Amino acid sequence: LAKTTQPISMDSYEGQEVNITCSHNNIATNDYITWYQQFPSQGPRFIIQGYKTKVTNEVASLFIPADRKSSTLSLPRVSLSDTAVYYCLVGGGIYGGATNKLIFGTGTLLAVQP
Amino acid sequence: DVKVTQSSRYLVKRTGEKVFLECVQDMDHENMFWYRQDPGLGLRLIYFSYDVKMKEKGDIPEGYSVSREKKERFSLILESASTNQTSMYLCASSGSTDTQYFGPGTRLTVL
Repeated sequence: LAKTTQPISMDSYEGQEVNITCSHNNIATNDYITWYQQFPSQGPRFIIQGYKTKVTNEVASLFIPADRKSSTLSLPRVSLSDTAVYYCLVGGGIYGGATNKLIFGTGTLLAVQP
Repeated sequence: DVKVTQSSRYLVKRTGEKVFLECVQDMDHENMFWYRQDPGLGLRLIYFSYDVKMKEKGDIPEGYSVSREKKERFSLILESASTNQTSMYLCASSGSTDTQYFGPGTRLTVL
């Protein structure tokens, strides 16, 4: 089972770019990499998903090297409202009864200061 | 927008009671999940279901059971609640893309 490792916490200031790296050495061939954001007392919210190389949406970018053993979530120009816990999730592949357990990392608490 | 709803935001029960947590999704998703979240432990998967009447154990199924009689509804059952089941319970659903959509969570306290 692919487990993930992330920093427990990170600090940043408003307007900076923040990069959060996740290690997943045992990622399987059909695993996707997904990042979620969670605010206190709320369920996690999907941010971005990728399989390899780079993915970008209106919120973030996801960089995945060729070996896929790690990934980096990049948040451009963070604001105070980006203060949250960010989870790296590796897995998926639930098709037709086949099961791959989905494992959340412990999450990274990003604290954005003025 | 995908909507996942959970029957209660806050719930207080006594030790030994039978507890039902209900989750409903409105996107015709095949897959549904139950997690619990505790400080310092992140999200841990209890059970998931990939079809009606189908279920698979997650990482911590002990003390829990689930029911999926209809595609849109996934219930988590605590047969005899214990204090160590005090936690935040999160339900999620996903379709073919593996992206999971979460409900707001139920904070359960067992006294």
